[in-house]
Order: sequence, then structure tokens, then C-alpha cells
Amino acid sequence: QQQVKQSPQSLIVQKGGISIINCAYENTAFDYFPWYQQFPGKGPALLIAIRPDVSEKKEGRFTISFNKSAKQFSLHIMDSQPGDSATYFCAPYSSGGYNKLIFGAGTRLAVHP
Amino acid sequence: SAVISQKPSRDICQRGTSLTIQCQVDSQVTMMFWYRQQPGQSLTLIATANQGSEATYESGFVIDKFPISRPNLTFSTLTVSNMSPEDSSIYLCSVARQGITEAFFGQGTRLTVV
Repeated sequence: QQQVKQSPQSLIVQKGGISIINCAYENTAFDYFPWYQQFPGKGPALLIAIRPDVSEKKEGRFTISFNKSAKQFSLHIMDSQPGDSATYFCAPYSSGGYNKLIFGAGTRLAVHP
Repeated sequence: SAVISQKPSRDICQRGTSLTIQCQVDSQVTMMFWYRQQPGQSLTLIATANQGSEATYESGFVIDKFPISRPNLTFSTLTVSNMSPEDSSIYLCSVARQGITEAFFGQGTRLTVV
């Protein structure tokens, strides 16, 4: 199931800093690129997603950057807050293919005040 | 959106026994999945629960160990059979509509096998 490589495994950021999480994939059939956020004791929840026809999507402090040629996409959290401390997963999807979500290894983010 | 009720939320079971986990959704959904998540780890897909037919299992997971039912579009069960301590994990139900632009998750069942 390891079709995506997510990095870093863990990340510590000071409050107000920028958090950057990367996801590299192999399957060129992927056409939807979401990031999920999971807090302890909860199931993951969709945070933000992008389709490959755009290179960047911004929603508030969260931005996805997409590089089709490099087969990578990244999550940027601007002005990181302690409430952003969670585990983040990329889960690229192929609408014409597997019909299931395969998650990256996850990045545990800790934002220190 | 979809609201998922997963039961039980946690359980401690004796080895060799079986536990059935229930997943109830508040609306009809096309797709239902079962995942396993070790604490601090990623989610591993166990199987896709198919309504009216046998579930589709991922590599490493078999029906005898993880039988799944899906009698309708809002309900599914996962049974963990003949449990061993290695089955201790969090089991998550997930649902999505066709296209999976967003998957919704239950809060999970924390299983401890002693």
C-alpha cells in the first residue's frame, strides 16, 4: 500500500512559524490530492484538497502547493498555532482507479507557544 | 457531510475471542471502509465493505480473520476473530460518496487484547 512518501515524520514549530509537510507519489493516475488532520482520540478529517489543474490552493492559513512534474504536493501552515498540533496525512486519490484512500505515513506536528 | 456512530468506543478482550464493531451512518453512502491504526501510526486499509456482496480485502487481510457485513447503505460491521495481542489497535470506520472527494471517519474503536 506504500504508494506515497510523506515527510517529515515529525515537526516542531514555534507559534507564528511556518509548518511545511511534503508528500511524494508515484502513481500518475492520482487526480485528487487531499490533506487530512487528526487530533488524538479522533478520526481524521479533511483539511484541504487540490486538483491537478491548479498549482496552489489557499484556505485561510492553510495552503497546498502542487508540483505535477515532480509528483509532489505539500501542505503549508502559515502563522502556526498550538491548536494546529495534530497529525497530518496526505491521501492522494485516483477517481478512475482504486476507489479507496491510501494514507501517507503521517506527520506529527507540535506547535510550541 | 456524514455523521458516523461507531460502537463500542473501546473494549478489552481476552485472546481467542471475537469482537464485532458496528458502524452506523446518518445518511446513505456509496462507500464504506474499515481501517486499522496502531497508536502513533498511519491508517492501514483493511477492506472495502460492499453492500450486498462480499467485502474487498487488502493484501494481508483475510475474510476469516476480519469478516465484514454491509446489509444496507448506512450500516456495516467488522468482526475481529480469534483475537491475539497483535490485534490490539484502533479500528476506524470510514464512509464516502462516489468519487471520495471527502472521506468521513468515526471516532474509532480502541481494542486491547489481553
